[in-house]
Amino acid sequence: SQTIHQWPATLVQPVGSPLSLECTVEGTSNPNLYWYRQAAGRGLQLLFYSVGIGQISSEVPQNLSASRPQDRQFILSSKKLLLSDSGFYLCAWSVAGSSTNEKLFFGSGTQLSVL
Amino acid sequence: AQKVTQAQTEISVVEKEDVTLDCVYETRDTTYYLFWYKQPPSGELVFLIRRNSFDEQNEISGRYSWNFQKSTSSFNFTITASQVVDSAVYFCALSEWLRGYSTLTFGKGTMLLVSP
Repeated sequence: SQTIHQWPATLVQPVGSPLSLECTVEGTSNPNLYWYRQAAGRGLQLLFYSVGIGQISSEVPQNLSASRPQDRQFILSSKKLLLSDSGFYLCAWSVAGSSTNEKLFFGSGTQLSVL
Repeated sequence: AQKVTQAQTEISVVEKEDVTLDCVYETRDTTYYLFWYKQPPSGELVFLIRRNSFDEQNEISGRYSWNFQKSTSSFNFTITASQVVDSAVYFCALSEWLRGYSTLTFGKGTMLLVSP
């Protein structure tokens, strides 16, 4: 069966420090991968998605970047965190393909507090 | 652009009450999919249901039921005889094409508080 792992669960970082959040998926090949952010208003905002190694698309301009160095690994990074980067970050995956009916499977999330 | 509206920010009920969570969507696509996810206090989103735009039959799964009405662009979710464990944030979502790629547009969520 497929599983998704996301870590760390919580993170407190000072403004200006770097960030690296990691997400890995097991039990499937070539998944579509996503990073979402859930800010204080609780809405889920798509940040990045990837259909393959090295293929990253960004939905919103921001201080963050994403990378996919391996098929089932998705990393969210920042060189210098801002206060506004605080939030709950969720990694998700879906089955590869071009259908709109695929559901997303979510990781357990990372609560990031930038102080 | 697609949009999902969950007008109810927060709902509080007492255990055993029935509760309906509203979801209204906007899309230009003729074929699309609607989803409901549950986010318990632990944070992880849990998939509840997926419904395609051609299937307007209501669906029931235990205490959960969904009412899809294409004419009003609504996909409402009802919990019958609510329980404390139903307390969570519930998200409605709509499938979307992004430059040839599929993802989901989420509503802002409805927080459901079920008290004993």
